[in-house]
Amino acid sequence: DAGITQSPRHKVTETGTPVTLRCHQTENHRYMYWYRQDPGHGLRLIHYSYGVKDTDKGEVSDGYSVSRSKTEDFLLTLESATSSQTSVYFCAISPGNYYGYTFGSGTRLTVV
Amino acid sequence: AQSVTQPDIHITVSEGASLELRCNYSYGATPYLFWYVQSPGQGLQLLLKYFSGDTLVQGIKGFEAEFKRSQSSFNLRKPSVHWSDAAEYFCAVQLISNFGNEKLTFGTGTRLTIIP
Repeated sequence: DAGITQSPRHKVTETGTPVTLRCHQTENHRYMYWYRQDPGHGLRLIHYSYGVKDTDKGEVSDGYSVSRSKTEDFLLTLESATSSQTSVYFCAISPGNYYGYTFGSGTRLTVV
Repeated sequence: AQSVTQPDIHITVSEGASLELRCNYSYGATPYLFWYVQSPGQGLQLLLKYFSGDTLVQGIKGFEAEFKRSQSSFNLRKPSVHWSDAAEYFCAVQLISNFGNEKLTFGTGTRLTIIP
């Protein structure tokens, strides 16, 4: 979707290194989300944000941190990457209830 | 806690045949209900959503879904599938509340394969 972009699209990193994924939106939506997608698990929420500097944990937040210093950017950081964090990461945005989410195209992260 | 079940991991249908993908939810009240589609290597795209009113909702790409309160179901249907419908389909639910930030809970998805 043109209103939301994720970078990078692909990344290979080594175990133990920090990694930051970026989500950028041009829709001025209040809510932003980070999900990971793994076979057999569907999408699982990592962290979400309900405003600048306002974030909260999702169901699989261990090993991840987030920051949102401005409305348009939501960063996901893997403090020390592990092989279990090999996944496809999706960012989503929403103006609020009723509307559903708009998803980015995803970042495929491989931790070796 | 609310949950979403998509009992079919993989479905194969012939092109031109009808399709029904199942979705059941477990929640104390009727939530908002959504269907998303994901093509290979892509993000998720919203197909349709249900909030209230008419229990049969129309979406994009010729899809429709029917909400059945008595069965806690929100099944997705299409009368005649096309090869381009091959994708993974996700059902999702969202708590209805006065807060503006209720999170979506997703099912594990159903992969649809179309055969000629």
